Amino acid sequence: AQSVTQLDSQVPVFEEAPVELRCNYSSSVSVYLFWYVQYPNQGLQLLLKYLSGSTLVESINGFEAEFNKSQTSFHLRKPSVHISDTAEYFCAVSVLNYGGSQGNLIFGKGTKLSVKP
Amino acid sequence: NAGVTQTPKFRVLKTGQSMTLLCAQDMNHEYMYWYRQDPGMGLRLIHYSVGEGTTAKGEVPDGYNVSRLKKQNFLLGLESAAPSQTSVYFCASSYPGTGYHEQYFGPGTRLTVT
Repeated sequence: AQSVTQLDSQVPVFEEAPVELRCNYSSSVSVYLFWYVQYPNQGLQLLLKYLSGSTLVESINGFEAEFNKSQTSFHLRKPSVHISDTAEYFCAVSVLNYGGSQGNLIFGKGTKLSVKP
Repeated sequence: NAGVTQTPKFRVLKTGQSMTLLCAQDMNHEYMYWYRQDPGMGLRLIHYSVGEGTTAKGEVPDGYNVSRLKKQNFLLGLESAAPSQTSVYFCASSYPGTGYHEQYFGPGTRLTVT
């Protein structure tokens, strides 16, 4: 069975500092990988995704994540965070079923990023 | 285009009461999902539907029932609420096909069972 591990439940950082949110997954088959963001009292929004091709994917607000197949990781990074990045971040994996269809999302337990001035 | 909407936004129930949560989407998506979110647990799939009239169990289906009578609506029912069902419930929808399909989430329903 697939699983997702987010190693840090909370990450406090100061504004303009770099941050890395770690995500590891377990799967013996091909997967799609996602990072979702949840701002306080809101639903989840897709931040970025890895489907295939380049292992480095970027979001429009400066986050990036790198797919590392050998380490089964998909860590999220940002070189300089802002107060507005304070949110909970969820890593998720979806396997590719036989025939190429996408399976259900399996979520990690989330990492709360708290950016302090 | 409202996307995915959920009704109600908040609800307080007493143990043993029943209620139905409504999820509606206007994107003509085939797939719909119900998740629950608990602190430190991430999101866990309760039930999902791959089309009108079909439903399937997810990771944590016990104590819940669902129905998908119309393509745009996905109902989540609690027949006899328990304190363990206190949670935030999220609905999502997606358009399937071969390859990638993105799930779009609603704003959530915060349910408290006393």
